[in-house]
Amino acid sequence: NAGVTQTPKFQVLKTGQSMTLQCAQDMNHNSMYWYRQDPGMGLRLIYYSASEGTTDKGEVPNGYNVSRLNKREFSLRLESAAPSQTSVYFCASSELRDSNQPQHFGDGTRLSIL
Amino acid sequence: DAKTTQPTSMDCAEGRAANLPCNHSTISGNEYVYWYRQIHSQGPQYIIHGLKNNETNEMASLIITEDRKSSTLILPHATLRDTAVYYCIVATRGTLYGGATNKLIFGTGTLLAVQP
Repeated sequence: NAGVTQTPKFQVLKTGQSMTLQCAQDMNHNSMYWYRQDPGMGLRLIYYSASEGTTDKGEVPNGYNVSRLNKREFSLRLESAAPSQTSVYFCASSELRDSNQPQHFGDGTRLSIL
Repeated sequence: DAKTTQPTSMDCAEGRAANLPCNHSTISGNEYVYWYRQIHSQGPQYIIHGLKNNETNEMASLIITEDRKSSTLILPHATLRDTAVYYCIVATRGTLYGGATNKLIFGTGTLLAVQP
């Protein structure tokens, strides 16, 4: 039962470098999400994709881009990393047909930007 | 967007019931209450959700007041492995191109410490 798989688990970048965080789910879910979690805080939504081919901004989209590659995969890209983007990033997925179904989360990518 | 208020932290003795309160006084009629928990360094784990009726599953029970302005998550027999941050969330429905999805707005949650 893989569920939601995120890669890499850890990454250190220098300011200005670019990086793509990968997320894949094997539950045939339609909706996928990217969150960030800063120390001592709850999760904040960066972007989400209600279904394949669609994306929309969340609470904190600045500095990020996303791609819904296919139904399984939803990637998050930092074009020019900044120290303020040091955080733990979580990907999640959920059903669309019944939009009250819960989200299932991956174990996160811990990203440090120097 | 509906917001929630939870105590910052709570303690519970192992084997006893843990009752975690949540206030959501601005909840809209079609918004669900969700509970998730996050064990240190892991992704959030779904526990339970409900609209207005009480709900129970293998993990917990959810009691929602009749006016829906507050709820309580009950872990019937807490264990040390239940030590975690518990989030009470009222989902904000988002729509895009006719599709619907839930946008969960996380607060800071309640740190439940189960004591041996």
